[in-house]
Amino acid sequence: AQSVTQPDIHITVSEGASLELRCNYSYGATPYLFWYVQSPGQGLQLLLKYFSGDTLVQGIKGFEAEFKRSQSSFNLRKPSVHWSDAAEYFCAVGAIKTSYDKVIFGPGTSLSVIP
Amino acid sequence: GAVVSQHPSRVICKSGTSVKIECRSLDFQATTMFWYRQFPKQSLMLMATSNEGSKATYEQGVEKDKFLINHASLTLSTLTVTSAHPEDSSFYICSARISTGTLSAGSYNEQFFGPGTRLTVL
Repeated sequence: AQSVTQPDIHITVSEGASLELRCNYSYGATPYLFWYVQSPGQGLQLLLKYFSGDTLVQGIKGFEAEFKRSQSSFNLRKPSVHWSDAAEYFCAVGAIKTSYDKVIFGPGTSLSVIP
Repeated sequence: GAVVSQHPSRVICKSGTSVKIECRSLDFQATTMFWYRQFPKQSLMLMATSNEGSKATYEQGVEKDKFLINHASLTLSTLTVTSAHPEDSSFYICSARISTGTLSAGSYNEQFFGPGTRLTVL
């Protein structure tokens, strides 16, 4: 069965500093990988996704992620964090099961930004 | 495009009552919709998969008689929490997958998420 781990429960960075959020997955086939962001009390917003092709994926709000098959990782990065980036970040893996698809979410990483 | 709405956004009800949550795909048809539950400070957990015109498929540990799912059309799925209790208080999020005709083997159709419904049971 597929699973996703996010080793860091909470991260605090200073505004303007770089950011890397870790994500590791377990899946027996080619994974479909996603990063979502959720502000308090809000729904999910898709930051970026990887289906195939170039392993470095660019997303919205200046985020990027790199798929590394050998490490089963899909880490999210941003070169300079803004205060508005403070939120909960979820890594997710899409799986194919019979005729429908499932998305399995990691436990999330809470990001705090210090002014 | 690919917008999913949920109604209501917030609901407060008394213990023992039933609550219906709607999930609509506004600008596309969705053969399959998914229902997730998110407790405070936790991740999203898939509850069930809703297929248009057929019975929903529930994840292990989810009571199908308590969480009734109906997917009567290609743009609407409903989740009814029957005889709600305080422990059912949670954030419920739906997602919808675009129907692109026959789903070919090995393909993946992206899901689009609704804004969520906050349920509080007193």
